[in-house]
Amino acid sequence: DTAVSQTPKYLVTQMGNDKSIKCEQNLGHDTMYWYKQDSKKFLKIMFSYNNKELIINETVPNRFSPKSPDKAHLNLHINSLELGDSAVYFCASSLGLAGLSGELFFGEGSRLTVL
Amino acid sequence: EDKVVQSPLSLVVHEGDTVTLNCSYEVTNFRSLLWYKQEKKAPTFLFMLTSSGIEKKSGRLSSILDKKELSSILNITATQTGDSAIYLCAVVAGGTSYGKLTFGQGTILTVHP
Repeated sequence: DTAVSQTPKYLVTQMGNDKSIKCEQNLGHDTMYWYKQDSKKFLKIMFSYNNKELIINETVPNRFSPKSPDKAHLNLHINSLELGDSAVYFCASSLGLAGLSGELFFGEGSRLTVL
Repeated sequence: EDKVVQSPLSLVVHEGDTVTLNCSYEVTNFRSLLWYKQEKKAPTFLFMLTSSGIEKKSGRLSSILDKKELSSILNITATQTGDSAIYLCAVVAGGTSYGKLTFGQGTILTVHP
């Protein structure tokens, strides 16, 4: 039973399109995150939600919009895709705030390729 | 801005060797340091080190936090081919950075048979 699951795992699309990535966790965690891993394997936080409330919002273009319908789900919508958006997007979750009360659990990633 | 630097960037060893991976950080109001292993897909958790837990060990892996030197090391003894992976270090700071992991660029470890 996958703890943090993301769909789709692979996404190939054209510049200018809009796409969404969905994430669900069944760990009973109250905090969820989106991280972006670039081609150099650098993992960088984008957003975090705690109990459906946005608590971390890094310097990310406003073409990226997260949405948390409930504690177990955090989706990422991207408008007007650009070449530089190509990356692996990881969803993650934690009980409480990561690094304080516990560690971060990652999903398997969604590889986005923009042509 | 919080900063985490790992060294070396890559390392190639043979089975049975012992390796030491380094992580140094500059953060305001340090809370914890975490080590992850990333093979093909999701990073998986190894250790979390805090002021109250500066040394952790699990099997052949161990890690120490040096708060004075603002650094940590991850040791792997008697390496196996299954240890080949990217090892990621991340730091959590306090204040408005609560819950945010700042990652280093990772160390790519390759273990040859």
